[in-house]
Amino acid sequence: GDSVTQMEGPVTLSEEAFLTINCTYTATGYPSLFWYVQYPGEGLQLLLKATKADDKGSNKGFEATYRKETTSFHLEKGSVQVSDSAVYFCALSDQSNYGQNFVFGPGTRLSVLP
Amino acid sequence: NAGVTQTPKFRVLKTGQSMTLLCAQDMNHEYMYWYRQDPGMGLRLIHYSVGEGTTAKGEVPDGYNVSRLKKQNFLLGLESAAPSQTSVYFCASSYSAGNNSPLHFGNGTRLTVT
Repeated sequence: GDSVTQMEGPVTLSEEAFLTINCTYTATGYPSLFWYVQYPGEGLQLLLKATKADDKGSNKGFEATYRKETTSFHLEKGSVQVSDSAVYFCALSDQSNYGQNFVFGPGTRLSVLP
Repeated sequence: NAGVTQTPKFRVLKTGQSMTLLCAQDMNHEYMYWYRQDPGMGLRLIHYSVGEGTTAKGEVPDGYNVSRLKKQNFLLGLESAAPSQTSVYFCASSYSAGNNSPLHFGNGTRLTVT
């Protein structure tokens, strides 16, 4: 079946450091890929998405490129802020017999220190 | 913009008690989902619904029941709570079954079963 693997962390960075969170996936079809962010006490919020190979999703300074050849969707940000501290989830969406099937990675906790 | 609203936010149950979690969305979405989130395990799908009056089992349905009597509401029931059901429960909705349609999440219900 489909699966998503991501580094679990925790990841601790200083403010203005460069961020990379690795995500790789396994899917039988042609999935769409997503990054969600979860702030303390809240639900998951869509951060960015890419729907086909070589697409780049971007939002709030975060970027991720859909790499079909390496089945990866790594999240990057050039300069993190304290407010970026959260848990980040990589996810894929694929078609199944009942329609849309979402598969989530385990999440990566990011802490940014001032 | 209410989006997806979950009630209650917190609940403590004793083993064997029952309860219902309510999810309401005001985006006219067809698809609704119930997930549970446990440390290190990401999100696991409990039940889902592809439209009013329809429900189906997800990855971890045992011990739970659901109903979708109205398009905007999706109820999750625990008939006889067990400590293994201690978790954070998230409701989500999406517009369509296509790969591109992201999930919109509520803020979660933290349930403790003693």
